[in-house]
Amino acid sequence: AQTVTQSQPEMSVQEAETVTLSCTYDTSESDYYLFWYKQPPSRQMILVIRQEAYKQQNATENRFSVNFQKAAKSFSLKISDSQLGDAAMYFCAYRSGNTGTASKLTFGTGTRLQVTL
Amino acid sequence: DTGVSQDPRHKITKRGQNVTFRCDPISEHNRLYWYRQTLGQGPEFLTYFQNEAQLEKSRLLSDRFSAERPKGSFSTLEIQRTEQGDSAMYLCASSLFGSSYNSPLHFGNGTRLTVT
Repeated sequence: AQTVTQSQPEMSVQEAETVTLSCTYDTSESDYYLFWYKQPPSRQMILVIRQEAYKQQNATENRFSVNFQKAAKSFSLKISDSQLGDAAMYFCAYRSGNTGTASKLTFGTGTRLQVTL
Repeated sequence: DTGVSQDPRHKITKRGQNVTFRCDPISEHNRLYWYRQTLGQGPEFLTYFQNEAQLEKSRLLSDRFSAERPKGSFSTLEIQRTEQGDSAMYLCASSLFGSSYNSPLHFGNGTRLTVT
């Protein structure tokens, strides 16, 4: 079974600064997808960024980028120019590339990001 | 695209009572998922549907839990004889799946269940 580990329960960053959230995962599969989801206090989980394991290039979405290290099974999220609206729980998630396994996501325990002035 | 909607947002019930939650997915999405999230934890997969067929159930889904998606559109999750351990946020998500396409999951706001 796949597991996702987020070792930072809480992180804090000053507005306009950069922060990196860590995520490691364990799998025996070679084809999979990785995601970062954001869950603000309003609760709705929002997709931040996704990475296909077969792609060597790290995904970027505006101020959000990832550092995907497949051999190390590491998938960190970098938030640049942090804004107050970035404050939320961030979840790392894994999905198998095997469509027979339902596309279900396996989540980590989350990192609460606080953004200070 | 009105997003995934869940009803109710909050439910307080007494132990032993039955509760039912509803999820309306994004209209063109053929897959629908139920997750449970307890405080301080990430969501845990419960079950999923492709159209009206329930294709997988987690071992977390005890016999007291049942989910349906009768017409391949909205879904209901029923918990019978609720226990205090059922207190959690129940999240619904949907996605579009095809032979060459598998979209990310889109989540609803969740239903927070409190069993007293």
